[in-house]
Amino acid sequence: KQEVTQIPAALSVPEGENLVLNCSFTDSAIYNLQWFRQDPGKGLTSLLLIQSSQREQTSGRLNASLDKSSGRSTLYIAASQPGDSATYLCAVSREYSTLTFGKGTMLLVSP
Amino acid sequence: DADVTQTPRNRITKTGKRIMLECSQTKGHDRMYWYRQDPGLGLRLIYYSFDVKDINKGEISDGYSVSRQAQAKFSLSLESAIPNQTALYFCATSDLGGTDTQYFGPGTRLTVL
Repeated sequence: KQEVTQIPAALSVPEGENLVLNCSFTDSAIYNLQWFRQDPGKGLTSLLLIQSSQREQTSGRLNASLDKSSGRSTLYIAASQPGDSATYLCAVSREYSTLTFGKGTMLLVSP
Repeated sequence: DADVTQTPRNRITKTGKRIMLECSQTKGHDRMYWYRQDPGLGLRLIYYSFDVKDINKGEISDGYSVSRQAQAKFSLSLESAIPNQTALYFCATSDLGGTDTQYFGPGTRLTVL
């Protein structure tokens, strides 16, 4: 059974810092990996999707990497802003598009 | 207008009652999913459907049933609600021919007393 772990569970940083969120998964036979953002009381917003054949994806200040063989992904956020405060979720899919989620990293960026 | 909508947004009910949560999408996607989110447990898949005639159980389907009334509509039912079904429920969609990114609705907060 696939298990997804996110470290740290919570992170507090001052505005402007670069930061890294970590995600690990136990079964490397994945189809893709997605990073989501969830604001309190809201739904999930897809940030980046990395296909299993890719090593990284970038969108603005966000960069996600994937090392499938070691079962790891990182989400790098450059020059963090208070508006980045949210919970970040990592999810992997193996087959039939079904996702297995980690429990998330709660990020707080202070002005 | 939102691409994926869920109704109701909040619902309080009593043990033993039948509840239906509805999901509609205007994205034209074939695939639809129901998840529940619990503090400390993350999101878990309840049911998923790849087209109107296709329904599949997810990780935690016991106590739930679904209906795919049309490509755009996917409903989740709790036949006899129990307190441990109190959770935040999300509907999601993805495109068979696209990148397989999943798009989520705003969620339904269900409380079973």
